[in-house]
Amino acid sequence: EIVLTQSPGTLSLSPGERATLSCRASQSVGSSYLAWYQQKPGQAPRLLIYGASSRATGIPDRFSGSGSGTDFSLTISRLEPEDFAVYYCQQYGGSPQPHTFGQGTKLEI
Amino acid sequence: EVQVLESGGDLVQPGGSLRLSCAASGFTFSDYAMSWVRQAPGKGPEWVSTISGSGTSTFYADSVKGRFTISRDKSKNTLYLQMNRLRAEDTAVYYCAKCSGSYLHWYFDLWGRGTLVTVSS
Repeated sequence: EIVLTQSPGTLSLSPGERATLSCRASQSVGSSYLAWYQQKPGQAPRLLIYGASSRATGIPDRFSGSGSGTDFSLTISRLEPEDFAVYYCQQYGGSPQPHTFGQGTKLEI
Repeated sequence: EVQVLESGGDLVQPGGSLRLSCAASGFTFSDYAMSWVRQAPGKGPEWVSTISGSGTSTFYADSVKGRFTISRDKSKNTLYLQMNRLRAEDTAVYYCAKCSGSYLHWYFDLWGRGTLVTVSS
């Protein structure tokens, strides 16, 4: 099973600043099968990025994803107040366990 | 509007059973694989199960294999999760999620609001 480790656990920043979140896989995630989700309290996760770097429909261009192999990152170029949430990475590289999530990074003001 | 809506969550005793439902609308249901993803209180999401668009292929996390069964009804645009032999560690919000991507390489591009399952005596 591929284990995803996200860092930092909590990131404290201010609106207007740049945020960089990391996701490291215990083994290579083939063909960049890596997604990022945002979750706000009491809400379901929302897809931000898939294929490591492709933005989902309706996601602002201040969100960008990069990386390959075992090291991936999510960057928010200029934080807006609504961006403060928990972010999860997910790998979907296939069998035997098709999907695993990281433990999350909380982005707080 | 494209959406999925879960129902069926409840308080159930250990060893009991429950069936969750997910009503889909706004997209061609049979064109997409569908999944259940759960999230225990204060934890990250955990993938539970996926069913192919045709319904012929199913996949389960090791933690639920042999106890949970995923199915779908094309005529009703509804996804199901039959949960048997429930344990305390199955307590979570269960989300229905629409899958995108390629076969066996799915990410989740649409999530419902979730339904709470509590397993406790």
